[in-house]
Amino acid sequence: DSGVTQTPKHLITATGQRVTLRCSPRSGDLSVYWYQQSLDQGLQFLIQYYNGEERAKGNILERFSAQQFPDLHSELNLSSLELGDSALYFCASSVGGAKEKLFFGSGTQLSVL
Amino acid sequence: GQQVMQIPQYQHVQEGEDFTTYCNSSTTLSNIQWYKQRPGGHPVFLIQLVKSGEVKKQKRLTFQFGEAKKNSSLHITATQTTDVGTYFCAGRTDSNYQLIWGAGTKLIIKP
Repeated sequence: DSGVTQTPKHLITATGQRVTLRCSPRSGDLSVYWYQQSLDQGLQFLIQYYNGEERAKGNILERFSAQQFPDLHSELNLSSLELGDSALYFCASSVGGAKEKLFFGSGTQLSVL
Repeated sequence: GQQVMQIPQYQHVQEGEDFTTYCNSSTTLSNIQWYKQRPGGHPVFLIQLVKSGEVKKQKRLTFQFGEAKKNSSLHITATQTTDVGTYFCAGRTDSNYQLIWGAGTKLIIKP
């Protein structure tokens, strides 16, 4: 158990819909990262938050947004969903230093039908 | 942009054979990390290398960081079924705080 909690584990929705994925980082971790992993593909970095502030942006679509709340949990919002958005979405957390390792949650499997 | 190339994409081995995956960066890295993702699972941190020429071992796994800090490798001796999964490298540069991920190497044990 990494200590990072992601909900829901599975999500099935239709094209055009909007969903929210939730992540609770490990106790004490200030950084939260969001990654997208399509079937049998690598990890695509989407966005990172540190202590409530956006720290870095990766290949995140304009239809996607995220935020980190004062209690440090984070939400990833995906809107106007397309078939190609079907993927495994991972949240990871770290203390926040330059050499810190990442602890990943179990992921949310999103299926857009 | 900064990239980390990881090869091979897949490697099929017989149980008991060795396995190696390689990562090469276009720029000098300040450190490199290795993660393992079991089938159906999430990436799990294995190790971090920081020093030029560093070699670290974890039982049958040997991790190396090149002298120029631009390449790294993971070697598994005498693979076992528990080694199955995808191995990712991820490096950081001094100028970019973010982890730059390799595409991963999937280790498949032939039946």
